[in-house]
Amino acid sequence: GENVEQHPSTLSVQEGDSAVIKCTYSDSASNYFPWYKQELGKRPQLIIDIRSNVGEKKDQRIAVTLNKTAKHFSLHITETQPEDSAVYFCAASGIAGGGNKLTFGTGTQLKVEL
Amino acid sequence: DTGVSQNPRHKITKRGQNVTFRCDPISEHNRLYWYRQTLGQGPEFLTYFQNEAQLEKSRLLSDRFSAERPKGSFSTLEIQRTEQGDSAMYLCASSPRDRAYEQYFGPGTRLTVT
Repeated sequence: GENVEQHPSTLSVQEGDSAVIKCTYSDSASNYFPWYKQELGKRPQLIIDIRSNVGEKKDQRIAVTLNKTAKHFSLHITETQPEDSAVYFCAASGIAGGGNKLTFGTGTQLKVEL
Repeated sequence: DTGVSQNPRHKITKRGQNVTFRCDPISEHNRLYWYRQTLGQGPEFLTYFQNEAQLEKSRLLSDRFSAERPKGSFSTLEIQRTEQGDSAMYLCASSPRDRAYEQYFGPGTRLTVT
């Protein structure tokens, strides 16, 4: 089955700096890669996703890049703000056909310091 | 709130007791997923439904676990003869018919087995 590894496990940045979180996946059939933000005690929130037919997607201060050859994808957050502090999870799944179960990474605790 | 809802939000039970959780997906979402999340880990897939049909079950779902979605709307997850190792956050997610790969999570039910 799919295996997703995520690094780093914790990341501390100064407000206004950029943050980068990296994930690798094992199953070359995976073609959908979402990122979730989870604040303490709250539900995972889908913040951005990318499908394998594109290499990069941007939404305001967040962007995701995908390298299918190397089987890795990354989340980039620019101009970080204190409200960006949370745990971020990457995930991978296959879109076509049957179930789209997500395989998640182990999470990155992002702390944005003033 | 038109998001995924789950009840109860917290459940404390004694080892050996049965528990049942409920998930109400976003209206008209035809796919419904159950995941389990333990502290410091990403969610792990348990099972999923397309309408009322349960189409996939993880090996994590032992025979003490059963899930139903009788009318293709809400779903229940029952755990029989609970064990301390069942203590976790149980998350439900749903996805729309036209974007089946996008999963939106509920707030979860936190189970504590004493």
